[in-house]
Amino acid sequence: EVQLVESGGGLVQPGGSLRLSCAASGFTFSSYDFHWVRQPRGKGLEWVSGISTVGDTYYSASVKGRFTLSRENAKNSLYLQMNNLRAGDTAVYYCTTGLAGWDNWGQGIQVTVSS
Amino acid sequence: QSVLTQPPSASGTPGQRVTISCSGRSSNIGSQYVFWYQQLPGTAPTLLVDYDNQRPSGVPDRFSASKSGTSASLAISGLRSEDEADYYCSVWDDSLRGWVFGEGTKLAVL
Repeated sequence: EVQLVESGGGLVQPGGSLRLSCAASGFTFSSYDFHWVRQPRGKGLEWVSGISTVGDTYYSASVKGRFTLSRENAKNSLYLQMNNLRAGDTAVYYCTTGLAGWDNWGQGIQVTVSS
Repeated sequence: QSVLTQPPSASGTPGQRVTISCSGRSSNIGSQYVFWYQQLPGTAPTLLVDYDNQRPSGVPDRFSASKSGTSASLAISGLRSEDEADYYCSVWDDSLRGWVFGEGTKLAVL
């Protein structure tokens, strides 16, 4: 069974940092691109960042320069290092992947940036 | 203003057919594949359509999608109460060098 489990979320003050992790199981991790998508409460989906099988990374304009996405194939894990967090980063963050469209999603994890 | 424009809401009665539009640009819909996602209340999104008009395994054939130029649309026929959800279009944007989502359309089954 394919599973994506996010961890590392929580409450952080503006300007602070958090590292989200996504642990994958049930498929060949190294063969897939991965992405993070976030959703503020009551609002729509926003793509945040993606990483290819060979480690190429892509970021939305809203997080570029503050967030860093990496992967560790040996541990079947994905990491999103989030620095200089702002109130506007408050959202549920989803880890997602798929070969033709994103057909596997984690349950999501809450990140709240507030003083 | 979002790069992809969707109507904020849509509605229909059971059995009806409804369509949801997604308007973009030459740098996204006009040159890249469109994907559609369904998000039921309180849950993660699920993939509904890939590569413009292909239904992944398990998606009922009541759902269909099409694309023309810089616009795409999702059609749901034989509307059912369990179709009440938010629907999002998504596509890679060559200019932005990233993925974009539409603002989402909340579908109500009256």
